[in-house]
Amino acid sequence: DIQMTQSPSSLSASVGDRVTITCRASQGIRNDLGWYQQKPGKAPKRLIYVASSLQSGVPSRFSGSGSGTEFTLTISSLQPEDFATYYCLQHNSYPYTFGQGTKLEMK
Amino acid sequence: EVRLVESGGGLVQPGGPLRLSCAASGFAFSSYWMSWVRQAPGKGLEWVANIKEDGSEKYYVESVKGRFTISRDNAKNSLYLQMDSLRAEDTAVYYCARGSAAAYWGQGTLVTVSS
Repeated sequence: DIQMTQSPSSLSASVGDRVTITCRASQGIRNDLGWYQQKPGKAPKRLIYVASSLQSGVPSRFSGSGSGTEFTLTISSLQPEDFATYYCLQHNSYPYTFGQGTKLEMK
Repeated sequence: EVRLVESGGGLVQPGGPLRLSCAASGFAFSSYWMSWVRQAPGKGLEWVANIKEDGSEKYYVESVKGRFTISRDNAKNSLYLQMDSLRAEDTAVYYCARGSAAAYWGQGTLVTVSS
């Protein structure tokens, strides 16, 4: 199975900060990776697909990059509604696997 | 608008069965892979299974193989997850999602396995 190691597991930041979250795959997954945002009690929402494409309707402050084994999600200027938990998902080979999540909290 | 509505969750005893349903609307259901993803209370997301557009291919996470069956009825725009021999560790919110890359998600249905 492909392991997705997400870091950090938690992060404290302030409105206006630039934030980067990383996912590392245990083997190459090309660009078969998505990023998801989940708020408490809600379903996840996809932000980024195929590593760097912005989902329709998602603010442009979110961006993704990477290919192969290392991927990043960047929020260029944190907004109050961005405090949530973020997950990556590899859909390159079965079983698909998520990172363990990054909880983004207000400093 | 893409809409996915799960149903069928509830309290079930260990070893018992449960069938989840997901009603899809707002897109051409028969043209998409579909997925089930679960989240145990206070834990992260776990991919469970997915199924090809015509139902000819199905894939499962190891922990549910032989116990869970994913299926679909394209005429009814519906996705299903038949869960047998349920265990306490299957307790989770179960989400259906459109596509193998989970582009859109339902609101989830809670399954609690407990005596």
